[in-house]
Amino acid sequence: EADIYQTPRYLVIGTGKKITLECSQTMGHDKMYWYQQDPGMELHLIHYSYGVNSTEKGDLSSESTVSRIRTEHFPLTLESARPSHTSQYLCASSELSYEQYFGPGTRLTVT
Amino acid sequence: KNQVEQSPQSLIILEGKNCTLQCNYTVSPFSNLRWYKQDTGRGPVSLTIMTFSENTKSNGRYTATLDADTKQSSLHITASQLSDSASYICVVSDRGSTLGRLYFGRGTQLTVWP
Repeated sequence: EADIYQTPRYLVIGTGKKITLECSQTMGHDKMYWYQQDPGMELHLIHYSYGVNSTEKGDLSSESTVSRIRTEHFPLTLESARPSHTSQYLCASSELSYEQYFGPGTRLTVT
Repeated sequence: KNQVEQSPQSLIILEGKNCTLQCNYTVSPFSNLRWYKQDTGRGPVSLTIMTFSENTKSNGRYTATLDADTKQSSLHITASQLSDSASYICVVSDRGSTLGRLYFGRGTQLTVWP
């Protein structure tokens, strides 16, 4: 079981609100990732980071932003939530690029 | 285009029975293939990982096979249990970038009935 944590696990919020999804890992991994997953669909990479002060956009365009001020912490922020942002958000970390450990996910519902 | 296709999309079996899930990929250059188990509302957990030179890898009742020539993999589950009900995701990594890009299948949703 990997030591990677996400909070909150579930979030229901109204349109226009600003939200931050938290992700922390205690494994000292340099690489961290955010994925978006809709029911029955594959995971899509939306952000990744190679280390502190390094962030890049992934394959799927996302209105969210991320920051990496500390190695263990990789939060994702939505400035103004919309119903189209309703999805499951999964955070992952790795030492080797292909061996990613996933957190439990945050299921976001925007009403 | 690099893709990972899984079949069947969903599967229902009775407890104690065996089943086999399929994964076909077009990812090139190939680095490794991993099977994940994802329980509902949880993050994926790795079951097995295989590199180009490996044909079979087991993890308890889970056995994965890889045919790198035909670009096919299978996950065989023996003596299924109710706790095996989950989505099983095939993930292929390439060697073509420093990121070590991962390509995800949509998963096979397995339901085990008592």
